[in-house]
Amino acid sequence: AQKVTQAQTEISVVEKEDVTLDCVYETRDTTYYLFWYKQPPSGELVFLIRRNSFDEQNEISGRYSWNFQKSTSSFNFTITASQVVDSAVYFCALSEASGSARQLTFGSGTQLTVLP
Amino acid sequence: DTEVTQTPKHLVMGMTNKKSLKCEQHMGHRAMYWYKQKAKKPPELMFVYSYEKLSINESVPSRFSPECPNSSLLNLHLHALQPEDSALYLCASSQGGTGGATGIYGYTFGSGTRLTVV
Repeated sequence: AQKVTQAQTEISVVEKEDVTLDCVYETRDTTYYLFWYKQPPSGELVFLIRRNSFDEQNEISGRYSWNFQKSTSSFNFTITASQVVDSAVYFCALSEASGSARQLTFGSGTQLTVLP
Repeated sequence: DTEVTQTPKHLVMGMTNKKSLKCEQHMGHRAMYWYKQKAKKPPELMFVYSYEKLSINESVPSRFSPECPNSSLLNLHLHALQPEDSALYLCASSQGGTGGATGIYGYTFGSGTRLTVV
């Protein structure tokens, strides 16, 4: 069975600080997909990134970067120079390639608050 | 069109009412999903449709009844709900059905229907 753990329930930082959100996953599949979503107070889930298990290259998109390490089953997310608009709940999610459905298993989420 | 559209955005219903949530996508996706999200919790899968056929029902009570009239539409019919069913209901779609690795591509969520049962 697949499982995603986000140990940080809440994080508060001051604007312009860097912040890293941790994500650890468990799966028996060799092919799987990892996601990060942002959920602002308005409720919609905003897609940030998808990585497959064969691509361990780190990725940078503007102030966002992701560090995927299969050896530690982690897929951490860093926001550089955080801004108040980054305040939201962030979910890490996993989908296995095998099986009959492409459901996403979500971690419990990390509430990020960026203070001005 | 890269959106999943959900209507209504907000719904208040009594425990004896019958209502429906609607979800629509025009991305050619062949898998569609219903998730339920309670406050301060992650989304939880309810149903999966693949090529308009129900492929997953995660032990959801019968007062929730999904329907997939065609490849672009997904409905969730609600009847005799309880106050604890109040939640954000999210629809999602993905490419290529649910079989194989490609099924995951394009996974897109709608903005949700916030349901309150009184």
